[in-house]
Amino acid sequence: AQTVTQSQPEMSVQEAETVTLSCTYDTSESDYYLFWYKQPPSRQMILVIRQEAYKQQNATENRFSVNFQKAAKSFSLKISDSQLGDAAMYFCLLTQGGSEKLVFGKGTKLTVNP
Amino acid sequence: DVKVTQSSRYLVKRTGEKVFLECVQDMDHENMFWYRQDPGLGLRLIYFSYDVKMKEKGDIPEGYSVSREKKERFSLILESASTNQTSMYLCASSRASSGANVLTFGAGSRLTVL
Repeated sequence: AQTVTQSQPEMSVQEAETVTLSCTYDTSESDYYLFWYKQPPSRQMILVIRQEAYKQQNATENRFSVNFQKAAKSFSLKISDSQLGDAAMYFCLLTQGGSEKLVFGKGTKLTVNP
Repeated sequence: DVKVTQSSRYLVKRTGEKVFLECVQDMDHENMFWYRQDPGLGLRLIYFSYDVKMKEKGDIPEGYSVSREKKERFSLILESASTNQTSMYLCASSRASSGANVLTFGAGSRLTVL
């Protein structure tokens, strides 16, 4: 069975600092994809970043980057120069190639302190 | 701008009432999903549909049913609402896939059952 674990229920960071959210996963498939989604308070969930398992290069989107360690089955999200608008629940998602099977982590609540 | 629209942001219902939660997407996506979101439990899949009139049970289908008569609309039905169904309900859609496709979420429907 596929699993996704976010071991940090809550994290906090000072504005302009860097924070890393952790995600570990387990799958027996070789074809899979990993995502980070952000859910701001009372707002809808949006995609932050996506990583294809077959790509060795870590994905980057502006201030957001991932550290994808395939052998360790780790997929952490780094947020640089944190902004107040980054405060949200962050969910890690594992999807399987050729399947609609989706597995979410339980989420990490990020607080950004001014 | 692509959208997933959930008809009600907030609903209050009484125990035993029949509840309909509607979701409409304008992206011609094949897949549609209903999730339930509870603090500490993350997102749990109730049902998903990969085509019109097709549905598959997710992890927590008990007490729920769904309807997909048109490609753009996916309805979640609580036949007889109970207090333990008080929750946030999220609809999402995606293209038929390889697992690579991004989920687009609605804003959520917060249901309170008294």
